[in-house]
Amino acid sequence: AQSVTQLDSHVSVSEGTPVLLRCNYSSSYSPSLFWYVQHPNKGLQLLLKYTSAATLVKGINGFEAEFKKSETSFHLTKPSAHMSDAAEYFCVVGGAGTASKLTFGTGTRLQVTL
Amino acid sequence: SQTIHQWPATLVQPVGSPLSLECTVEGTSNPNLYWYRQAAGRGLQLLFYSVGIGQISSEVPQNLSASRPQDRQFILSSKKLLLSDSGFYLCAWSVLSNQPQHFGDGTRLSIL
Repeated sequence: AQSVTQLDSHVSVSEGTPVLLRCNYSSSYSPSLFWYVQHPNKGLQLLLKYTSAATLVKGINGFEAEFKKSETSFHLTKPSAHMSDAAEYFCVVGGAGTASKLTFGTGTRLQVTL
Repeated sequence: SQTIHQWPATLVQPVGSPLSLECTVEGTSNPNLYWYRQAAGRGLQLLFYSVGIGQISSEVPQNLSASRPQDRQFILSSKKLLLSDSGFYLCAWSVLSNQPQHFGDGTRLSIL
């Protein structure tokens, strides 16, 4: 069984300051981990993925995440927030087997203020 | 490159009416296909998935059904909509185990 916990339901930052969105996971095997972003009334867009290669993963739009097995964490960071980063972010654990079902966190809403 | 199409983008239906939402994928063969529902302010709930033509797995018992008449076509249906069927419906595809899914732009369904 696997699960994902996003530790903050809402994060607010000022434009130009760093972003940290926290995610902890639980998995009975070596997981694949993903971060998705969702803007209002849009589908989910893949930001980045970890699939057992490098532990520091770089994604689109300046985001990156570090896989820490000892802490079972996969936190998402960005050095400098932009207004366009305001959206909902989902941490996701990948599924094994033919169906490849995903396990989603409950989401973190990122607000960026001037 | 692969693309996924969902339509319509928005839909307003009366209670008791039928529903058909369509999703198609281009640029790949034999994808896994998924239907999700996202209620307002909540996470994603997996409704159905399919690993091949005619193969449908249901995750939760409900008023909806799914079909996969062609390799890259996935349809979500209902014979009689309920108020509780309102939500944002997302289709997704993937091709390999342990790889991410790729999502369509969704359909906003409102039941009156």
